[in-house]
Amino acid sequence: DSGVTQTPKHLITATGQRVTLRCSPRSGDLSVYWYQQSLDQGLQFLIQYYNGEERAKGNILERFSAQQFPDLHSELNLSSLELGDSALYFCASSISTSGANVLTFGAGSRLTVL
Amino acid sequence: EDQVTQSPEALRLQEGESSSLNCSYTVSGLRGLFWYRQDPGKGPEFLFTLYSAGEEKEKERLKATLTKKESFLHITAPKPEDSATYLCAVQPGHNDMRFGAGTRLTVKP
Repeated sequence: DSGVTQTPKHLITATGQRVTLRCSPRSGDLSVYWYQQSLDQGLQFLIQYYNGEERAKGNILERFSAQQFPDLHSELNLSSLELGDSALYFCASSISTSGANVLTFGAGSRLTVL
Repeated sequence: EDQVTQSPEALRLQEGESSSLNCSYTVSGLRGLFWYRQDPGKGPEFLFTLYSAGEEKEKERLKATLTKKESFLHITAPKPEDSATYLCAVQPGHNDMRFGAGTRLTVKP
């Protein structure tokens, strides 16, 4: 157990629907990162939050949004889902944004869009 | 543009056959280069951080090295349990961690 908790582990939904993925960071970590990993593709950086504020944005679609709450948990909202959104979504946390940040990853949420 | 390229995409070794994985990078500034291991269906697990050219880190059968343009992950006498995807990542600045596509390593007994 890495200490980063992601729910749900698996999610099957239909095109056009909206889902929310949840992440609780490791205790003491203030920074949360979201990544998308499609079949045979590497980890694509989506977005990063630090202590409730957005700090960096990657290739995140406009249909996707995220936030980090005062208790530091984060949610990734995916709307108007398409077949191509099927992927593993990973959350990672780190203690800060200064220096070299070692990321601790959760087990991922596997999203299947039918 | 910051880029991370890993090679080979896949590598099959016999148990005990040593080899190296490559990670080449182009970044505007480097706060750190990281190696992670990822088992199928699981999240990546941290292995090493390297900060500057010439630095080396070792852990069991793995040794990571860093130059100004690339990093190598050397695997000495691998065992089947070393089979996994090895990911390289660079941190160009305060935020944002960019990952390579990974090398999928298979070690046959």
